[in-house]
Amino acid sequence: DAKTTQPPSMDCAEGRAANLPCNHSTISGNEYVYWYRQIHSQGPQYIIHGLKNNETNEMASLIITEDRKSSTLILPHATLRDTAVYYCIVRGHSGGSNYKLTFGKGTLLTVNP
Amino acid sequence: DVKVTQSSRYLVKRTGEKVFLECVQDMDHENMFWYRQDPGLGLRLIYFSYDVKMKEKGDIPEGYSVSREKKERFSLILESASTNQTSMYLCASSSGTLPYEQYFGPGTRLTVT
Repeated sequence: DAKTTQPPSMDCAEGRAANLPCNHSTISGNEYVYWYRQIHSQGPQYIIHGLKNNETNEMASLIITEDRKSSTLILPHATLRDTAVYYCIVRGHSGGSNYKLTFGKGTLLTVNP
Repeated sequence: DVKVTQSSRYLVKRTGEKVFLECVQDMDHENMFWYRQDPGLGLRLIYFSYDVKMKEKGDIPEGYSVSREKKERFSLILESASTNQTSMYLCASSSGTLPYEQYFGPGTRLTVT
């Protein structure tokens, strides 16, 4: 799996968009980009994934650069409940579906009132 | 809405006790996982299962066993609990088709005294 680099922390004002960057310059063609988050003392929560195209769901948008070497997770209107550690993961699937998740250090997003 | 539930949020057990942690998913997923999460060590895979009655060891299976008698239920068993098994235990499930995103339960914080 490709290595990812994320800033250790970010702040965002409530109601504003939160843009969380992730660098994955060694990504290969069949690797997906996934985003998860973990609110303190809770289980991780899947947010979104993408391969090549930008993606949007009810939680967030994922923007992947054309060369796929970086991506940005966008929370369009951050709330206090979005304060969490956000993890960007790049995974291939040569091992099939039985593939463990490994979280790096992630980005601690703090949404301020 | 996807849902993974775990039998307890908090559990306190004594050294040497046999401990059962249960996980149920309602998404008809083929794959289920048990992880533990410890500060500074991140997420570590204990066991996973890709079908009923099928299981494979993860990175740290020692001291644990698992059972999957029904598709929706995956149990983690600590045969003889020890203090070094004090941890947050997380269950996850994923479908058997790409992109295999994993959905987590709320976690069980187990303390062994």
